[in-house]
Amino acid sequence: DADVTQTPRNRITKTGKRIMLECSQTKGHDRMYWYRQDPGLGLRLIYYSFDVKDINKGEISDGYSVSRQAQAKFSLSLESAIPNQTALYFCATSPDRGFQVFFGQGTRLTVV
Amino acid sequence: GQQVMQIPQYQHVQEGEDFTTYCNSSTTLSNIQWYKQRPGGHPVFLIQLVKSGEVKKQKRLTFQFGEAKKNSSLHITATQTTDVGTYFCAGPHSGGYQKVTFGTGTKLQVIP
Repeated sequence: DADVTQTPRNRITKTGKRIMLECSQTKGHDRMYWYRQDPGLGLRLIYYSFDVKDINKGEISDGYSVSRQAQAKFSLSLESAIPNQTALYFCATSPDRGFQVFFGQGTRLTVV
Repeated sequence: GQQVMQIPQYQHVQEGEDFTTYCNSSTTLSNIQWYKQRPGGHPVFLIQLVKSGEVKKQKRLTFQFGEAKKNSSLHITATQTTDVGTYFCAGPHSGGYQKVTFGTGTKLQVIP
């Protein structure tokens, strides 16, 4: 969905490097999420935010941090990347009422 | 914590055959959603079921929500190559935090 934009779309980084994945949305939703997808494991929630002042850990937050810079912007950081963080990362949003989730195009991250 | 499992993990079918994926939650869900992710794409919302025992159809796709609201199924009649992708179920977190837990997904391959 072009309404949720992730940058970069692909990234290769070295072990130990700091990396930031960025997400912006034009849907006007307060709720934003970062998910990680690995084969056979589905979509696992890393962090979520229900408004600019609200940040919550998801199922697998260790090794990650986030920043909600504005209603429309939610970034995910890997402070010191490790190879098992190689995965497909999705940013997503949802409206205040209801649970339908709108995903960005994804960022494929490879840590070597 | 809440777990949402799907079976099978993978399914290969001949074009024209039927396909079913099953979703099981460890907790009662207020509603269930289904998403489809095409190869190389991002998950896209298909439908939401709310009522116990509810059945909804979208052309060749039939969605069911179990009587106990802990399981759901997606059935595709006469598969086509355009059905290829990964299908996820998802449900609101039982902790009442208004976030969605995704299932492990079923990857469907259709052989022409």
